[in-house]
Amino acid sequence: QSVLTQPPSVSAAPGQRVTISCSGSSSNIGNNYVSWYQHLPGTAPKLLIYDNDKRPSGIPDRFSGSKSGTSATLGITGLQTGDEGDYYCGTWQSTLSAGVFGGGTKLTVL
Amino acid sequence: EVELLESGGGLAQPGGSLRLSCAASGFPFDSSSMTWVRQAPGKGLEWVSSLTFNGGSTHYADSVKGRFTISRDNSKTTLYLQMNRLRADDTALYYCVKGGIYSSGLDYWGQGTLVTVSS
Repeated sequence: QSVLTQPPSVSAAPGQRVTISCSGSSSNIGNNYVSWYQHLPGTAPKLLIYDNDKRPSGIPDRFSGSKSGTSATLGITGLQTGDEGDYYCGTWQSTLSAGVFGGGTKLTVL
Repeated sequence: EVELLESGGGLAQPGGSLRLSCAASGFPFDSSSMTWVRQAPGKGLEWVSSLTFNGGSTHYADSVKGRFTISRDNSKTTLYLQMNRLRADDTALYYCVKGGIYSSGLDYWGQGTLVTVSS
């Protein structure tokens, strides 16, 4: 069981918007940067958001990140069937001096 | 183009050892933190270990501390993970990743190497 809590699954129709939450504590999200990763079937994970709200080059602005207190949120607009996969939040756990991931959220585009 | 090529995975017996390697190219390896992440069958991502650009600082997940050792050879642009006292729950796809989860994220991932621990 991860110290970062994500909903197991979310779903929405093509073209719609979805948000994925990641809840933690002051020992992780509250005092560290959050990053988000997309893991599509059969591929390596990909960095979507780093340092809470920054997008690497090549990541479309359909993807956004935010952080407030001990929670973070990934937003995806204009959903496409190609967005179906698993999404993970990640951060540093200060009390363990170790990285941590959320349990992952499976996105289904209906 | 950034390339991370893992090798060294395979079948190991419980209590045995394996050494994973990751050959890196396409970026300044000697100024980059590096990380190992694994994914057990049917499970989510698990952060395993990371080290700084010069190997001066290393960190481990509690699940592998005392059994795994991360290291690097900047002259060979290669990252390593020495895995000892392997257990069945170490069975996973192991990814070599550029970056540190504490800052700037894990920005490039290899395709992974599969480790299976079974008698």
